[in-house]
Amino acid sequence: KNEVEQSPQNLTAQEGEFITINCSYSVGISALHWLQQHPGGGIVSLFMLSSGKKKHGRLIATINIQEKHSSLHITASHPRDSAVYICAVFGNEKLTFGTGTRLTIIP
Amino acid sequence: KAGVTQTPRYLIKTRGQQVTLSCSPISGHRSVSWYQQTPGQGLQFLFEYFSETQRNKGNFPGRFSGRQFSNSRSEMNVSTLELGDSALYLCASSFSGVRGRPDTQYFGPGTRLTVL
Repeated sequence: KNEVEQSPQNLTAQEGEFITINCSYSVGISALHWLQQHPGGGIVSLFMLSSGKKKHGRLIATINIQEKHSSLHITASHPRDSAVYICAVFGNEKLTFGTGTRLTIIP
Repeated sequence: KAGVTQTPRYLIKTRGQQVTLSCSPISGHRSVSWYQQTPGQGLQFLFEYFSETQRNKGNFPGRFSGRQFSNSRSEMNVSTLELGDSALYLCASSFSGVRGRPDTQYFGPGTRLTVL
């Protein structure tokens, strides 16, 4: 079993829909990152959080340390949100990554 | 500030050769981490350097090595290349002054290595 599990693996939605991507982990962590990777490889760090909730524009990330679970929400989704979203946990002084969720937003 | 840069962007090598990849972090960042991304294994941590010292290491064979210079620029080297080393190699920099304290990582565009 992977230390970091993401669901769903693939998600296709219509423009404007509310999107939720989930991440569960099984190890002790000090922080969790949400990353976005566009075709071509570039990775952008969206959030780093260790408790509660963070919001940036249309993106919201939450974490429940007791349940070892985090969610990434996208409100009013747009085709430019199409990308792979990767959850990564920081524990044992290193990042361990989930396998990613491929999101496709259809106009 | 300029972002993280990696050179070269693309590289083709044959089995048995060695390769050196370079990463220049954001100015002022002293931590550089290296990652390997493959379709089968996803993203995996290779190692982290801070102030010219390897601070942490992932589970990769000794063929994978790295170093960091006094200006925080880092290189990674893979010797005796194997077909399975074909991957996107990403580096990321962070300010990360305290060992073990998580910090936002800023990723470079990656070097795509193909081993034939």
